[in-house]
Amino acid sequence: DSGVTQTPKHLITATGQRVTLRCSPRSGDLSVYWYQQSLDQGLQFLIQYYNGEERAKGNILERFSAQQFPDLHSELNLSSLELGDSALYFCASSAGLGDTGELFFGEGSRLTVL
Amino acid sequence: AQKVTQAQTEISVVEKEDVTLDCVYETRDTTYYLFWYKQPPSGELVFLIRRNSFDEQNEISGRYSWNFQKSTSSFNFTITASQVVDSAVYFCALTLNYGGSQGNLIFGKGTKLSVKP
Repeated sequence: DSGVTQTPKHLITATGQRVTLRCSPRSGDLSVYWYQQSLDQGLQFLIQYYNGEERAKGNILERFSAQQFPDLHSELNLSSLELGDSALYFCASSAGLGDTGELFFGEGSRLTVL
Repeated sequence: AQKVTQAQTEISVVEKEDVTLDCVYETRDTTYYLFWYKQPPSGELVFLIRRNSFDEQNEISGRYSWNFQKSTSSFNFTITASQVVDSAVYFCALTLNYGGSQGNLIFGKGTKLSVKP
C-alpha cells in the first residue's frame, strides 16, 4: 500500500460527459502528479501540483484540468470526453518537489468512455 | 528531447531462469535520474530503484540487479532465479533535474515479463 488513495477505481461514462477523479496523497506529501496510461501512448505525465500551485505541465489536453486543494488532495477533471480518453489515470505523490525522485503511485482510476 | 526505449515488448521465461530487461535512454542533459517501476497484474506502479547520472555503480538488491552504463546510455535490469511473482510489466523511466520537476517521469513503453512455473 503506497498510501496514495484514488477514487473511483472504475468509471464508465459516455462520450461528451465530464468526470472528476480524486486523489489523496500520502500523509505529509506536498506534491501531486497525474499520469495517464493508455495502450496507444503508454504512461504519460499530465500535470504536477505542489502545495496547491501548478508546478509543471506535460501532455495534458485543454479539455482536462486539475487542482490541488488546501488539504492537499487533488482532482483531475476530464470534460467533453472522447473514446480515446479511455485509460488508467494514476495519481502519485512525493514529499517535496520530487527531488528524491521516488514517486508513490496510487492504484489508478480506470476510465472507460463508451 | 528525452526518450526511453524498452525494445523488448514481452519476455517469457521459466521459473528459476535469469532474465535481463533492457532500457536505453536519450537525453542531452548531464544530470538526470533513471528509474525502474514494476506494474503487477493488480495495476499499481511499484518503485524499484532510482539512479542518478553521476552514480554508475551497479546495484544489487536480493535477486534484482541493475547495470547502469553511461557509455551506452543503458540502464538494464536483471532478475536472477526468476519466480512466478515476478510476472509483471516493468517500466524504465527518466527524469531531468531542474526546477523541482524531477517527478515528471518519461516512461518507456514497458516490458511484460511472464514467468511460467
